[in-house]
Amino acid sequence: GAGVSQSPSNKVTEKGKDVELRCDPISGHTALYWYRQRLGQGLEFLIYFQGNSAPDKSGLPSDRFSAERTGESVSTLTIQRTQQEDSAVYLCASSLDGSSHNEQFFGPGTRLTVL
Amino acid sequence: GEDVEQSLFLSVREGDSSVINCTYTDSSSTYLYWYKQEPGAGLQLLTYIFSNMDMKQDQRLTVLLNKKDKHLSLRIADTQTGDSAIYFCAESGSARQLTFGSGTQLTVLP
Repeated sequence: GAGVSQSPSNKVTEKGKDVELRCDPISGHTALYWYRQRLGQGLEFLIYFQGNSAPDKSGLPSDRFSAERTGESVSTLTIQRTQQEDSAVYLCASSLDGSSHNEQFFGPGTRLTVL
Repeated sequence: GEDVEQSLFLSVREGDSSVINCTYTDSSSTYLYWYKQEPGAGLQLLTYIFSNMDMKQDQRLTVLLNKKDKHLSLRIADTQTGDSAIYFCAESGSARQLTFGSGTQLTVLP
């Protein structure tokens, strides 16, 4: 398909383990965003990549969270030493560029459950 | 910081109009968006409005923007059961990322 894809769709892990979440943006989209959606809440911004510029990490909640992006393609979000409060749906979005009217296309999300 | 607020729940009868309201604080907002989220699915962009407009209509959807009061609304005409979902208001201002409200759960009753 031509949309944003994410894997896995569901991840259950034990407290203290590390997890990696993957996002494949729409081909040709230079901007990529990660958001977190806790149960019953709106989306919280985590990190933003635009081309080869340094990422905007201002939304990362702690140093246990990190993300990488290879060029203008796949991105991985890594959460180290997971805690129960990390349980949420992690959504990835991409847009054509990072201009102010940035129509963002969202993936289906990864539901993370930390036991 | 930037904040976007919405009421949490709305119930309407099938065939009636639904009006979902949103307020925001960022005066530099350039675009305001409405997204729809169905169970187990990602967010789908429904419509957006540029901040220098006060109304936009797109088929059954009407967006009204009161920039002075920083109030945005989404009206869905002839609401159908397939419209049942969570609706998120979002704004893009000085930052590249979107700031989202908590979402309004719309329930359409037969």
